[in-house]
Amino acid sequence: QKEVEQNSGPLSVPEGAIASLNCTYSDRGSQSFFWYRQYSGKSPELIMFIYSNGDKEDGRFTAQLNKASQYVSLLIRDSQPSDSATYLCAPHSSNTGKLIFGQGTTLQVKP
Amino acid sequence: NAGVTQTPKFQVLKTGQSMTLQCAQDMNHNSMYWYRQDPGMGLRLIYYSASEGTTDKGEVPNGYNVSRLNKREFSLRLESAAPSQTSVYFCASSRTSGAGSSYNEQFFGPGTRLTVL
Repeated sequence: QKEVEQNSGPLSVPEGAIASLNCTYSDRGSQSFFWYRQYSGKSPELIMFIYSNGDKEDGRFTAQLNKASQYVSLLIRDSQPSDSATYLCAPHSSNTGKLIFGQGTTLQVKP
Repeated sequence: NAGVTQTPKFQVLKTGQSMTLQCAQDMNHNSMYWYRQDPGMGLRLIYYSASEGTTDKGEVPNGYNVSRLNKREFSLRLESAAPSQTSVYFCASSRTSGAGSSYNEQFFGPGTRLTVL
C-alpha cells in the first residue's frame, strides 16, 4: 500500500462545476495535511492546509479531513479553466517529520 | 522577497560528469529539502536539512550529496551523473520540520531541469 494515494486522473469537469479531488493516507499519526497545485512545467505552490477534522474553506477551495477514515479531499467550486493543473496531496508524517507527497491528480476544466 | 531560488534552470550533462545544484532561501527558514520529480512518480525526497549544520537522507539519496552551507543555502551535488538522474529537481524550505512541529508548510523553488546523456 502506498503511503499516499491519489487518483492520477485526468479528472475532467466543465467550467463552473465542482471538482472533487480525493486522497487517502496510511500514517494514522499524520496531523497536518497540505494541498499543492502544480501547473505544467512549474513548481508546486501551496493552496490549502488543514489540521482538524471537518471542513476548511478558503475562497472557492474547501479542504475536508476525516482522520478516522484517513481521508482528505479538496473541493473546488465554480471551477475555472485556470484551475487546470495537477493537485498534490501531502500529509505531514508524524514518524519522520516530513511531508509525504502523493502522485497528484490532474484536473482539466473545460470551457 | 525572492523566496526560494535555484540555479541553474536547465542543465545537460554527459554520463560521468559532476555538477552542483544551488538553492537559497530568504525567508529565514530553518529546514531545507531537495526533491526530484519524474513523470508518474510524484515528488521524492532526496536529502533534507532540518536545521543549519545537519543533513539527512531521504527516500532516494544514492548518487547524491548535499551541503548546508549556511542557514540560507543548501546545495545538491551529483558526483558522477547517470542517465537515471535525468529529472526535474526542486529545492524547498520550511520554517521548521520534525515530528509534531507546526509551520511545516514547504515553499518550493522554480526547479532545475537536468538531462544526463
